[in-house]
Amino acid sequence: QKEVEQNSGPLSVPEGAIASLNCTYSDRGSQSFFWYRQYSGKSPELIMSIYSNGDKEDGRFTAQLNKASQYVSLLIRDSQPSDSATYLCAVNGKTSYDKVIFGPGTSLSVIP
Amino acid sequence: DVKVTQSSRYLVKRTGEKVFLECVQDMDHENMFWYRQDPGLGLRLIYFSYDVKMKEKGDIPEGYSVSREKKERFSLILESASTNQTSMYLCASTEGPTLEQFFGPGTRLTVL
Repeated sequence: QKEVEQNSGPLSVPEGAIASLNCTYSDRGSQSFFWYRQYSGKSPELIMSIYSNGDKEDGRFTAQLNKASQYVSLLIRDSQPSDSATYLCAVNGKTSYDKVIFGPGTSLSVIP
Repeated sequence: DVKVTQSSRYLVKRTGEKVFLECVQDMDHENMFWYRQDPGLGLRLIYFSYDVKMKEKGDIPEGYSVSREKKERFSLILESASTNQTSMYLCASTEGPTLEQFFGPGTRLTVL
């Protein structure tokens, strides 16, 4: 059974701080990794994708991937109250025929 | 921008009714998915489709069926709705090479 786990929340950080969200996965063959943000009552939206080891930066967001440790993380710098949401980690295999496996999500609250 | 639309945002049905949930995407994506999302259980895959008239069972297909007669449209059918099918239903489509999923706005179904 392929699994994706995320650090349990809720996570609270003050405005302007760095929020760190973590995710581990069980399938060593996984090739594609995604972070989705989901506001309450809304559908998930893709914020980051990463396919190779290392860091990928996009504005205030940085995704980090370590395939040897089967670990992917999301850092949010200068956290804003608008970042308050549930963050879902998702992991896929090599091809589009592999199902995406979603983690349970981590709830983030940014306190003004 | 990719647009995934769902036929209803809110739906109330009675036990035993046949329920149709429709999903349409406008980006010529090959792959389409139906999930349900429940508090504490995360996103669970019901069915997915890689091509017209093709369908594959996900993790929780019992009580559901699907139809994909046209590439852009993927329908979820509850043959005889039950109260335990009360949930948020999310449709998604995937861009083949990147495997990034784009979600529709969701349908909150209540079965009385």
